[in-house]
Amino acid sequence: SSELTQDPAVSVALGQTVRITCQGDSLRSYFASWYQQKPGQAPKLIIYGLNERPSGIPDRFSGSSSGNTASLTITGARAEDEADYYCNSHHSSGYHYVFGPGTTVTVL
Amino acid sequence: EVQLVQSGAEVKKPGESLKISCKGSGYIFSDYWIGWVRQMPGRGLEWMGIIYPGDSYTTYSPSFEGQVIISADKSISTSYLHWNRLKASDNGMYYCARIMGACSGGSCDFEYWGQGTHVSVS
Repeated sequence: SSELTQDPAVSVALGQTVRITCQGDSLRSYFASWYQQKPGQAPKLIIYGLNERPSGIPDRFSGSSSGNTASLTITGARAEDEADYYCNSHHSSGYHYVFGPGTTVTVL
Repeated sequence: EVQLVQSGAEVKKPGESLKISCKGSGYIFSDYWIGWVRQMPGRGLEWMGIIYPGDSYTTYSPSFEGQVIISADKSISTSYLHWNRLKASDNGMYYCARIMGACSGGSCDFEYWGQGTHVSVS
C-alpha cells in the first residue's frame, strides 16, 4: 500500500471550491508540499511548508493540515487548474521522501 | 534566472548502460540539493533520491537504492543519473529538480524543475 494516499479524481464546478486530501502517518510529524502537473509538462511546486506559496502561485491555492491529513484547497477554481495534483512528504521511516499517487482535478 | 536543462531523449536496449544529465545555471550549483524524480508512462511521480553537489552526499529511496546512481560534478554544475544495466521497467520520464533551501527534517521541496528526459528501453 502507498505511504501517502490520495483520491484518484475529483471534479469541481467552475468558480467553486475543491479540497484535495493526502493521508499518511508521516503527516502527523511532517508538512506536505503540493505539486501541480499538466499534461506534457514538468510538475510545479504550488504549496510548501504548512501554507506557503512560491512566487507566482495564485492565492486561490492554499494548504492546511490536521492529524494525518494534509489538504490542498482551490478556492474559485479556474479552467486552467485542471491538472494532476501530487502531495509529497517525508517517509515515515528512513531519510527519504515520497509522493502521493496523485489526484486528477477536472473543472466542469 | 534559475534553469535546469536536461539531456535529450534516449532509446536503449535492456542491459545497456546510460547516464543522463541535468545542468544548472543562474545560481551557485554547489549550494543547493538536486533531486531526481521518475514518472513511468501514465503513472505518478516517484521520488528517487537527492544529492548535495557541494560534497556529493547522496540519499536514495529504498525503491531505487542499488538500481541507479546519482552523482554530481560541481565544476560544471551538472548532476547525473546513471544506470549500469537498464531494464524494460526503467522506461519513463526522468526529472531533475532543485530543492528549496536545505533538504532536512520535514522539508525537501522541489522548487525548480528540468524539462525531463525520456528514457525508452526495449
